[in-house]
Amino acid sequence: GAGVSQTPSNKVTEKGKYVELRCDPISGHTALYWYRQSLGQGPEFLIYFQGTGAADDSGLPNDRFFAVRPEGSVSTLKIQRTERGDSAMYLCASSAQGQGNTEAFFGQGTRLTVV
Amino acid sequence: KQEVTQIPAALSVPEGENLVLNCSFTDSAIYNLQWFRQDPGKGLTSLLLIQSSQREQTSGRLNASLDKSSGRSTLYIAASQPGDSATYLCAVDNAGNMLTFGGGTRLMVKP
Repeated sequence: GAGVSQTPSNKVTEKGKYVELRCDPISGHTALYWYRQSLGQGPEFLIYFQGTGAADDSGLPNDRFFAVRPEGSVSTLKIQRTERGDSAMYLCASSAQGQGNTEAFFGQGTRLTVV
Repeated sequence: KQEVTQIPAALSVPEGENLVLNCSFTDSAIYNLQWFRQDPGKGLTSLLLIQSSQREQTSGRLNASLDKSSGRSTLYIAASQPGDSATYLCAVDNAGNMLTFGGGTRLMVKP
């Protein structure tokens, strides 16, 4: 596609529910990243995929958070037993190589609200 | 652990002014530095990417400089316009696989 696409753009869920956030990267980009941004702060790294595998998941806050990228393209961020503290903007980015010399392109984000 | 700081946190200027946004980072062993723009409730738009071997990049009215040894970057915006109002984020790439962001500078350009 022309850019990174994230769906849904907004998601409201009840505390304790399960949610899935989808990211469709730029076609051909092998590297995919998830970030989380709280209001008034900069984004914080969650997980990085190179192809199908999670090369670095050190930013995932706990085991309620999980992400997959089964075919090396679309990725899904999954959050179990959501808590009010999970409310944030979830941003996805992709880049051509992920080797530190290429530009990262971001999607429009999914605004998650846990009530 | 890399830490990125942006000063000022907020800035309000009249239209037409030239302005400078500052970014500092603690670990100078970076691959690159990227400046982004974020409109309220939206995603990030990449403005400029500076590789570690470069000292500056220019795009239109924007110029970003990088002084890796001192851990600093500046984003210069010439002849500011109301449409430039947004949050500007600086991010550094240390490991080749993730960006560390500053807290951003919220810019308002008044007509």
